[in-house]
Amino acid sequence: DADVTQTPRNRITKTGKRIMLECSQTKGHDRMYWYRQDPGLGLRLIYYSFDVKDINKGEISDGYSVSRQAQAKFSLSLESAIPNQTALYFCATSDSGRESAGANVLTFGAGSRLTVL
Amino acid sequence: RKEVEQDPGPFNVPEGATVAFNCTYSNSASQSFFWYRQDCRKEPKLLMSVYSSGNEDGRFTAQLNRASQYISLLIRDSKLSDSATYLCVVNKANAGGTSYGKLTFGQGTILTVHP
Repeated sequence: DADVTQTPRNRITKTGKRIMLECSQTKGHDRMYWYRQDPGLGLRLIYYSFDVKDINKGEISDGYSVSRQAQAKFSLSLESAIPNQTALYFCATSDSGRESAGANVLTFGAGSRLTVL
Repeated sequence: RKEVEQDPGPFNVPEGATVAFNCTYSNSASQSFFWYRQDCRKEPKLLMSVYSSGNEDGRFTAQLNRASQYISLLIRDSKLSDSATYLCVVNKANAGGTSYGKLTFGQGTILTVHP
């Protein structure tokens, strides 16, 4: 089984629908992230969480919300999907602690491809 | 100016060639640097961290120049399996030098190695 599992892997939906992307991890990491990837723009951070009680906005959080249900689970919601949210979404985890101990090395899920019509 | 900039390529090289990728970053407070590799339609995976003194892992060599805010990746004796997108990644640190844990990704450099 993958260390970081994302569901669904592919989703096609219509404008205005509510969508939830789920992420679960078996790494035991404290930190979890949601990124989106668009051609030519690279990966951009949507939200991140350093522990269950800590949620932070990334650089492109508008139109998204997140929930950290447990240390191992971090879900991303689009309350009312719009076409420009069509993208490949990645969940990632990292350990906390010192740089020298490997903190900030991200482990990614396989991605969730979302198409909003 | 983008926080992390890479030449998007594509770089098309024959097997056995040596190829170098460059990356510049704008935040002088950045403390951790990485190269990730992403295969088509797959998730990014860590290729190597970049250390101040430079480091090597087999055919791959990474260099960091803090004064110029510049990172490089050198691939020697290219293989067909090296074809991928290479992402330059930089973290941010706060004023106290503690890592935010937030990474900024370059847009990636596409490498195609042909027979």
